[in-house]
Amino acid sequence: TQLLEQSPQFLSIQEGENLTVYCNSSSVFSSLQWYRQEPGEGPVLLVTVVTGGEVKKLKRLTFQFGDARKDSSLHITAAQPGDTGLYLCAGGVVQGAQKLVFGQGTRLTINP
Amino acid sequence: EPEVTQTPSHQVTQMGQEVILRCVPISNHLYFYWYRQILGQKVEFLVSFYNNEISEKSEIFDDQFSVERPDGSNFTLKIRSTKLEDSAMYFCASSELGRYSYEQYFGPGTRLTVT
Repeated sequence: TQLLEQSPQFLSIQEGENLTVYCNSSSVFSSLQWYRQEPGEGPVLLVTVVTGGEVKKLKRLTFQFGDARKDSSLHITAAQPGDTGLYLCAGGVVQGAQKLVFGQGTRLTINP
Repeated sequence: EPEVTQTPSHQVTQMGQEVILRCVPISNHLYFYWYRQILGQKVEFLVSFYNNEISEKSEIFDDQFSVERPDGSNFTLKIRSTKLEDSAMYFCASSELGRYSYEQYFGPGTRLTVT
């Protein structure tokens, strides 16, 4: 059974600070997605990484897939209150169609 | 921008009743999925569907669950006889065929409450 563990589960920092969220597993995934989920809504796709070592940037957000495709990180530079939310990582498992295995999420609060 | 839609947004039903949750995937997508999220817990995979048949299903997806693509646009999840523990948010997702099949786009969800 593939599992993804996110850390930290909760993070509260001041506006302007930098932060990193981690997503770890002992299993290899074919892809790694990061989603953001608002209360009572569906996950919204932020980025997908598929190659070991791949780095993608989305404005102040930097996503990295580990070389062995077992882990990933999300780094936010100069966090803003608008970054507040629940961030989910999800690993792709290929068996025909891909299914996603989700982490438990990191609830991020950016204080003004 | 194309999006996945789901109806109803909230469904309340009594234990033992049948419910049908409906989804309209993104129009050019060919892979369809159902996930669920019990309050405060992880998003869990239920089933994937391609070419009018189930590709994979989880242990949760037992004989009480079924999926169907009744026409060219809708994708449904039926729970035959609901239990209290079926109360959750149910999310439909879809993805393209080919190299972007791993990018799954989620709908806003249906909150199912079983009383």
